[in-house]
Amino acid sequence: QKEVEQNSGPLSVPEGAIASLNCTYSDRVSQSFFWYRQYSGKSPELIMSIYSNGDKEDGRFTAQLNKASQYVSLLIRDSQPSDSATYLCAVSGNAGGTSYGKLTFGQGTILTVHP
Amino acid sequence: GAVVSQHPSWVICKSGTSVKIECRSLDFQATTMFWYRQFPKQSLMLMATSNEGSKATYEQGVEKDKFLINHASLTLSTLTVTSAHPEDSSFYICSARTGNEPQHFGDGTRLSIL
Repeated sequence: QKEVEQNSGPLSVPEGAIASLNCTYSDRVSQSFFWYRQYSGKSPELIMSIYSNGDKEDGRFTAQLNKASQYVSLLIRDSQPSDSATYLCAVSGNAGGTSYGKLTFGQGTILTVHP
Repeated sequence: GAVVSQHPSWVICKSGTSVKIECRSLDFQATTMFWYRQFPKQSLMLMATSNEGSKATYEQGVEKDKFLINHASLTLSTLTVTSAHPEDSSFYICSARTGNEPQHFGDGTRLSIL
């Protein structure tokens, strides 16, 4: 069974702080990794995608991937109250496999940024 | 870019009614569309994968005769919940992708069956 695990939180950080969100996955052949943000009552919105080991930065967001440890994280710098949402980690399988292109989601981490 | 439109956004209907939900990719051709269901305080669960012009592939435990999926063109997929019952009440979300690009999600349809 392919699983994606996230600490469900809630994670509460003060405005301006760094929020750190973590995710582990069980399928070692997973190739693509995504972070989505979901506001209450809304559908997920793509924040970051990462495919190779290391860091990927986009504005205030940094995704980190370590395939050896089967671990992916998202750092949000200078957190704002508008970042308060549920963050979903999603993993996709390798090309040619039955799970290629299909996303397996973690249960989500609720982030609250308080003023 | 990568806009996915889903309609309707909200449906309330009586038990036994069939409900059709549309998912359109507005500014790209979607080689694959996906249908998800999300119950309150839970994550998204994939129901089925749909490729244009071919039959949908359903996940284990999803009844293909109850959840009819049609992917008639590269920009449109529909999900029909047939003879809906209260336990089918949920938030249904579609997504679309082209090639190896990430999935982009529609705004979702909140379905309430009375």
